[in-house]
Amino acid sequence: GAGVSQSPSNKVTEKGKDVELRCDPISGHTALYWYRQSLGQGLEFLIYFQGNSAPDKSGLPSDRFSAERTGGSVSTLTIQRTQQEDSAVYLCASSLSRGVGTGELFFGEGSRLTVL
Amino acid sequence: EDKVVQSPLSLVVHEGDTVTLNCSYEVTNFRSLLWYKQEKKAPTFLFMLTSSGIEKKSGRLSSILDKKELFSILNITATQTGDSAVYLCAHSNFGNEKLTFGTGTRLTIIP
Repeated sequence: GAGVSQSPSNKVTEKGKDVELRCDPISGHTALYWYRQSLGQGLEFLIYFQGNSAPDKSGLPSDRFSAERTGGSVSTLTIQRTQQEDSAVYLCASSLSRGVGTGELFFGEGSRLTVL
Repeated sequence: EDKVVQSPLSLVVHEGDTVTLNCSYEVTNFRSLLWYKQEKKAPTFLFMLTSSGIEKKSGRLSSILDKKELFSILNITATQTGDSAVYLCAHSNFGNEKLTFGTGTRLTIIP
């Protein structure tokens, strides 16, 4: 597709269950980011992947959160033992090479997670 | 800790008005200041500013950065209903690839 694709668009889960959120970046974009946007809040950085380099995981809020990027393309964000405070919109973005250096990150439509 | 503060939190104006949105920041190793527009879900890039006093312009939108006073403004002239959105300000630092975002200004244009 032409843009960043995320799935599912909406996910409702029960507290304690694990969830997986998927991001398919724009073809050719080597940089991939995950952000979280809670109600009324700005975007919170979670993790950054660049090519084959070790990811910057400094934004992951707890060890229940993990992410991987296979083959330098698709990424999966996994939240284990979900808590109600994990409810948010999870946004994925991609960019060419050093995206932050150019400023232009291309965001997906997000996955809205609701933990009951 | 790096911080971005936007004001006002929300703004309602009539179509045709001019608006100014504010962004102040505290950073440790400033690289750039960015503006994004978020209409529904996906934020879209507007401007990146790295130098003080140089205005970036795109149609009715313009933005400028003051690195001494640590703030930026986004101006929208002759507003239209399609300008209704949340406008996000963010900054980046040298040494990492994170963007630190403010909470945004929700702009509503009344026809």
